[in-house]
Amino acid sequence: QKEVEQNSGPLSVPEGAIASLNCTYSDRVSQSFFWYRQYSGKSPELIMSIYSNGDKEDGRFTAQLNKASQYVSLLIRDSQPSDSATYLCAVGIPYSGGGADGLTFGKGTHLIIQP
Amino acid sequence: DGGITQSPKYLFRKEGQNVTLSCEQNLNHDAMYWYRQDPGQGLRLIYYSQIVNDFQKGDIAEGYSVSREKKESFPLTVTSAQKNPTAFYLCASSSDREQPQHFGDGTRLSIL
Repeated sequence: QKEVEQNSGPLSVPEGAIASLNCTYSDRVSQSFFWYRQYSGKSPELIMSIYSNGDKEDGRFTAQLNKASQYVSLLIRDSQPSDSATYLCAVGIPYSGGGADGLTFGKGTHLIIQP
Repeated sequence: DGGITQSPKYLFRKEGQNVTLSCEQNLNHDAMYWYRQDPGQGLRLIYYSQIVNDFQKGDIAEGYSVSREKKESFPLTVTSAQKNPTAFYLCASSSDREQPQHFGDGTRLSIL
C-alpha cells in the first residue's frame, strides 16, 4: 500500500510569517506531486504541482521536491488569515506509460494563521 | 464557465438501496476520477477512467460501480453492498494523465 504521510497539526503560525508544511511518500517511482487546499466543508483546490527536484514558486507559495529523500514541502510566505485551511499533499500513482492513474492523498495538515 | 458539476449536493440512502451520484464536466477532459473522504481523513480513490468506455478500480472499489458512456459524464453508483457509505464523495477530472486534477464541489451521502 503506497503511503503519503503528513503531520496532522494543527500548525499555528502568526500572520505575516512563513508557514512550512511537509509531506513524505513511500513509492520511490512517483513522478508527480501536488498540494491542495481544503476549507472546512468544501472540496480541495489545487495550489501547486511539482514534477522535478528543486523549488517551484507561484506567488506566495513555493513547493519543494526532493525525490532522493521522498520529501515534498510547501512554503507559504506572508501568511494571511485566509490561508487557514487543511493542506493536502497528493502523489500521483505511477502509470507505466507515463503520468499517473489517480492520486494518493495524505490526511492533511490543519493550518491556523493567527491574526 | 467550464467546470465539474456534481449532483446532488446532499443525498440520503436507505438500507438496501442503491444510489447514483452524478458527475458532469464541460472541460473536454479525457480523465475522470471518483474519491471518497471520511472525516479527518485524506481522499481515497474509488474508480478512475482515462477514456470513454474504459474504467479501472482504485483502492476501495468494493461496493461501488461506475460507467463512462460519454466523455463528459462519469456517474458513481453506491450499491447496497457498500456497508459504510456515509462520506463526502468527490469527482475530479484532468486533461490527461500528466496534468493536475481539479475537483467538483462534492456530494455528501448519509444513511437514513
